[in-house]
Amino acid sequence: QLVESGGGVVQPGRSLRLSCAASGFAFSNYGMHWVRQAPGKGLEWVATISYDGSDQYYADSVKGRFTVSRDNSSPSLYLQIDRLRPDDSAVYYCAKGIYTFGQYYFDFWGQGTLVTVSS
Amino acid sequence: DIQMTQSPSTLSTSVGDRVTITCRASQSIGSWLAWYQQKPGTAPKLLIYRASSLDSGVPSRFSGSGSGTEFTLTISSLQPDDFATYFCQQYSSYPLTFGGGTKLEIK
Repeated sequence: QLVESGGGVVQPGRSLRLSCAASGFAFSNYGMHWVRQAPGKGLEWVATISYDGSDQYYADSVKGRFTVSRDNSSPSLYLQIDRLRPDDSAVYYCAKGIYTFGQYYFDFWGQGTLVTVSS
Repeated sequence: DIQMTQSPSTLSTSVGDRVTITCRASQSIGSWLAWYQQKPGTAPKLLIYRASSLDSGVPSRFSGSGSGTEFTLTISSLQPDDFATYFCQQYSSYPLTFGGGTKLEIK
């Protein structure tokens, strides 16, 4: 199970930290990911962190403002979002990844947490 | 970046129809393609990975094919539970990218 939290209504320029609590699988063995979906739009991959946290990857649209991290002892995944912009408004999903020849597809998703950036 | 283009964007169909959705990649991705189903207000669900491998528990009426730049998702006989939006995703290289989605509507 993956349960996201931390979403809400936030003013532009502010920060937010999303969390994803994991259970029911060996969290420390899997790369984890954030994928977002703006209202009525498609899916956009945001960030990936390797199983041990040593590697992170980001979409260009969020690089420098978003930071993905994890705590394998909790076990939880996090997304720190700084300098929020209106186009960051979306449902943010955490997803468990299956690693195949360097990249991932997503075999399980949380229910998502809604972030709305508005003044 | 690899662009993923799905067609059609919307498809009006009926229960029992055979449905085919196409996903094209802007460059070759081998077989590194996944398909997801999403119903309104819920998270996406994995259907197919590596272009043609069915995820556990997915009904056999779903199938995937293709390699390189052109891929298809086929539903052999549409069931009421299948009216949803379908997305493809390439995992050949970063950034991981999705198609724009295909929404199946009741005719």
